[in-house]
Amino acid sequence: EADIYQTPRYLVIGTGKKITLECSQTMGHDKMYWYQQDPGMELHLIHYSYGVNSTEKGDLSSESTVSRIRTEHFPLTLESARPSHTSQYLCASSDRAYTEAFFGQGTRLTVV
Amino acid sequence: GNSVTQMEGPVTLSEEAFLTINCTYTATGYPSLFWYVQYPGEGLQLLLKATKADDKGSNKGFEATYRKETTSFHLEKGSVQVSDSAVYFCARTIQGAQKLVFGQGTRLTINP
Repeated sequence: EADIYQTPRYLVIGTGKKITLECSQTMGHDKMYWYQQDPGMELHLIHYSYGVNSTEKGDLSSESTVSRIRTEHFPLTLESARPSHTSQYLCASSDRAYTEAFFGQGTRLTVV
Repeated sequence: GNSVTQMEGPVTLSEEAFLTINCTYTATGYPSLFWYVQYPGEGLQLLLKATKADDKGSNKGFEATYRKETTSFHLEKGSVQVSDSAVYFCARTIQGAQKLVFGQGTRLTINP
């Protein structure tokens, strides 16, 4: 059983609000990832981190930002939410290169 | 490049039917290959994996064999159950990058 947690599970928020999606893992993994999943199911990598103070943008451009101050914590922030940000956001981690990733349960974000 | 292609869904079967979900990958490097499952409202769970040619991954009655000659990793199950209804993702590692590439997902529905 993977120990990676995302909060909140569901969030409905108004346009223009600042939000932070939390992701924490207790496995000591160096690598962490954020994926955006569209209604068509496809997963898009939007941010990743190889360790503390390391963050990179993923394959899909995103207006969100991330930080990695502690190994176990990888929050994602939207400074000003818009309806186009409505999506499911999935956090994942892995402990080595070229191996599987473990996923949290996701945050379903709706911006109205 | 590094990509994964899954058979398009949705796939609808009757309980106890035989399941195959096709997955092929581009022959770049020597990737590890994975199948993930996503139940409604949840994150992705690792179902099985294979790290080298001719390896067979298996779990919960599902199997997939790493076929280098056909660059395939098809998911099979001999007798599906209603509880197998979910979205299935094929994924691979990328040479030189510490992240996974996912297929577009295949939605499976099993009717009683």
